[in-house]
Amino acid sequence: EVQLLESGGGLVQPGGSLRLSCAASGFTFSGYAMTWVRQTPGKGLEWVSTLSGSGSSTYYADSVKGRFTISRVTSKNTLYLQMNSLRSEDTAVYYCAKNRGYDGKRDAFDIWGQGTMVTVSS
Amino acid sequence: DIQMTQSPSSLSASVGDRVTITCRASQDISNYLAWFQQRPGKAPKSLIYAASSLQSGVPSKFSGSGSGTDFTLTISSLQPEDFATYYCQQYNSFPYTFGQGTKLDIK
Repeated sequence: EVQLLESGGGLVQPGGSLRLSCAASGFTFSGYAMTWVRQTPGKGLEWVSTLSGSGSSTYYADSVKGRFTISRVTSKNTLYLQMNSLRSEDTAVYYCAKNRGYDGKRDAFDIWGQGTMVTVSS
Repeated sequence: DIQMTQSPSSLSASVGDRVTITCRASQDISNYLAWFQQRPGKAPKSLIYAASSLQSGVPSKFSGSGSGTDFTLTISSLQPEDFATYYCQQYNSFPYTFGQGTKLDIK
């Protein structure tokens, strides 16, 4: 069974950092692009970042560019999102999603994790 | 950025009904359109990709159509588990963007 399990969320102060993890199982992790999506009550669903299966191509929303870094470790079947310089508007549930394809461009998602909550507040 | 607009924002229906949700893109996205279902407190679930292709394991009561800028999701023979919020999403170009959602509740 294909599964994605996020972890690493929590409460962090503005300006702080947090690293989210997404453990994948049930498929060949290196064969697929992976994506982070976040959800807030006010702004709904927002695409955050996509990483190609090779790990060589990354794509970011303007709202996180320069602050967040997406990466993957194939040997651990794990996707990461390093979040720096966090702001209150980054408060959201963060989901990882598996893409249907390898390079991430013009590519739909098929499987979602259960999400992890990030709260940025003093 | 491509804006995705869903209508209606909310919809009341009865068990057994057939409903249609519309999604409009602010520019041509060909068929790079996906639909998701989200139940309260749960993660989104992928239903449809490429405007009309069912994801694996999704029942055929869900169907999608459209191309270019106008798309529809139709759900037939509504069951209690279908009452949820539905989102469309374009993946024609980055940044990928979502509609605001359509909440389907029981009449």
